[in-house]
Amino acid sequence: DTGVSQDPRHKITKRGQNVTFRCDPISEHNRLYWYRQTLGQGPEFLTYFQNEAQLEKSRLLSDRFSAERPKGSFSTLEIQRTEQGDSAMYLCASSLGGSGYEQYFGPGTRLTVT
Amino acid sequence: DAKTTQPNSMESNEEEPVHLPCNHSTISGTDYIHWYRQLPSQGPEYVIHGLTSNVNNRMASLAIAEDRKSSTLILHRATLRDAAVYYCILRGGGADGLTFGKGTHLIIQP
Repeated sequence: DTGVSQDPRHKITKRGQNVTFRCDPISEHNRLYWYRQTLGQGPEFLTYFQNEAQLEKSRLLSDRFSAERPKGSFSTLEIQRTEQGDSAMYLCASSLGGSGYEQYFGPGTRLTVT
Repeated sequence: DAKTTQPNSMESNEEEPVHLPCNHSTISGTDYIHWYRQLPSQGPEYVIHGLTSNVNNRMASLAIAEDRKSSTLILHRATLRDAAVYYCILRGGGADGLTFGKGTHLIIQP
């Protein structure tokens, strides 16, 4: 399977704990995106990377959230001191370029904070 | 990204064509029109995109109005697997992330 993969698929954590998610993009794609989706809503953009550089962050990305993409390959999204409001589906996507290119999404990581 | 307007829901019958409209009256000259869909419990899936001319691919066709202020996604022969939320999104300018609205919930009747 050469699509976008995400790990884990599901994560249950207690409030106050830290969690980290991983995304492996399609291998030749230099752009990688993170989105968050809550129940009944469309996905919301969080941040994106071009190669290893983080070029844009949404105001939704509070200081408890940090994302990295070392060596421009896989990416990790860490949430520190989780809150119940962080419960959502976290989606990763990758693409070859900007506005004229399509994004390919992974299956998402479902986070539940208890 | 500029704003798009879509109907909240549409219903169609299996094996019939479906025309999903999208209005984007504030589109700029460099905005691409993208369509994605999301099936229940899955990540969004790319459908099609275009700039000025109509586009066809194996999944669908995209008809773009001459003034580019509206577009229509055409599913030529709907199946039950096409039941999903369809999002029309404009992409251009400096922002690179997709801005999803509420989309159109497409219901396919057997």
